[in-house]
Amino acid sequence: DQQVKQNSPSLSVQEGRISILNCDYTNSMFDYFLWYKKYPAEGPTFLISISSIKDKNEDGRFTVFLNKSAKHLSLHIVPSQPGDSAVYFCAASGAGSYQLTFGKGTKLSVIP
Amino acid sequence: DVKVTQSSRYLVKRTGEKVFLECVQDMDHENMFWYRQDPGLGLRLIYFSYDVKMKEKGDIPEGYSVSREKKERFSLILESASTNQTSMYLCASRTGTGRNTIYFGEGSWLTVV
Repeated sequence: DQQVKQNSPSLSVQEGRISILNCDYTNSMFDYFLWYKKYPAEGPTFLISISSIKDKNEDGRFTVFLNKSAKHLSLHIVPSQPGDSAVYFCAASGAGSYQLTFGKGTKLSVIP
Repeated sequence: DVKVTQSSRYLVKRTGEKVFLECVQDMDHENMFWYRQDPGLGLRLIYFSYDVKMKEKGDIPEGYSVSREKKERFSLILESASTNQTSMYLCASRTGTGRNTIYFGEGSWLTVV
């Protein structure tokens, strides 16, 4: 039973345009959400996070939006660059929980 | 910066061999994790440890064991490697619980032939 779902396995976007990656969760105890970026043959690197007390968090070209009522979050990348091509993982954690629950990832390809 | 170091980046082992994957973190994190990543399956938790000598099973512990004798070091052991354990293995660490980031190592590519 997947508690964190990334329903799009892949996404292609033109350079300079907006990339929107989506993530849904089912566990209402989750209150902290993270996005990780992963290049082939490397470990995932932390990108941005958001806690459930906020609905938006911004860091440069990356913005994460959280809709608690819909149990949905999204990562916006503006403008998209070829170096953003990677697999993006959504993750969630609950208060007092040791571990993160990850989605299956979305492969983003930014076309020059 | 947090550093999580995995000792072997690429390994090729034979079926039935015992395999050790070592991981060290330098940030005094209480919690350490072992994941495997397979295409289409995302990151799946094998085991984690919240303290020295403590361990908890994750989602896919079968065929694996772990050891944490020191706070900074977490080892993953494949007692008898099988071809379906060919994968990328990722070690990670984290302080506390809840609203804290998890940091990953660079990964270990294991091929079992």
